[in-house]
Amino acid sequence: EDQVTQSPEALRLQEGESSSLNCSYTVSGLRGLFWYRQDPGKGPEFLFTLYSAGEEKEKERLKATLTKKESFLHITAPKPEDSATYLCAVQAGALEGGADGLTFGKGTHLIIQP
Amino acid sequence: GAVVSQHPSWVICKSGTSVKIECRSLDFQATTMFWYRQFPKQSLMLMATSNEGSKATYEQGVEKDKFLINHASLTLSTLTVTSAHPEDSSFYICSAREWGGNSPLHFGNGTRLTVT
Repeated sequence: EDQVTQSPEALRLQEGESSSLNCSYTVSGLRGLFWYRQDPGKGPEFLFTLYSAGEEKEKERLKATLTKKESFLHITAPKPEDSATYLCAVQAGALEGGADGLTFGKGTHLIIQP
Repeated sequence: GAVVSQHPSWVICKSGTSVKIECRSLDFQATTMFWYRQFPKQSLMLMATSNEGSKATYEQGVEKDKFLINHASLTLSTLTVTSAHPEDSSFYICSAREWGGNSPLHFGNGTRLTVT
C-alpha cells in the first residue's frame, strides 16, 4: 500500500526564517511526486511535480527536491503570505492514461509570523 | 492554466435529503475526474474516479449507492450525496488532469457539506 508521511505536522516560523518540510514516501513504482498549497476552506493549489531522484524545481521562495525515499520543500526567507498547509502527494503504479488519482500526506501546517 | 470550478462552495441540508455537487473543467476537456473528501486536519482521501461515458470507479469502503457519480460530458461531473446523514458532513473536492499520464491534478475550491 502506498504511504506518504509528512513532517512536521505544524511549523511556526518568523518572517525571513528559512526551513524545510519533509515528505517521506513508500510506493511501488513512483510515477510522480506533487506538492500543493492549500489555504483554509479552499482546494489545493498545484506547486510542483517531480518525476525522478535528483530533480529540483523552484518557484519564488520555494524549492522542491526529490530522492528515492523522500522529498523536501525548502522555503527561503518566508513571508506571512506563505502561511498555508503544504500537501505532498504521490502517483504510483503501472496504470497509463492518467486514470488514477493521487495519494496524499496529511500536510504540514505552516505559519509565518511577521 | 487549467481551471476546475466546483459548485456550490457550501451547502447545508437536512438529514435524509440529497445534495448534488457539480464539478466543471472550464478550459479543457477531462475524460476522468476525481472526487476527494477531506475531514478537518486530515488528508485528502480519494473517494472515486469519474469516467466520462461509463461507470465511476469507487475506492474501497465508499458506498456507490450513497455517493452517486455522473460524468455526462467531457467538462462536467456531478456527485450526489443521497439520504445524507450528519456523518457525511465533510469537505468534498473534485479534480481533473488537463493532460493524461503523470501530469498534475488541478482541484476545484471544494464544497463544504453540513448535514443537520
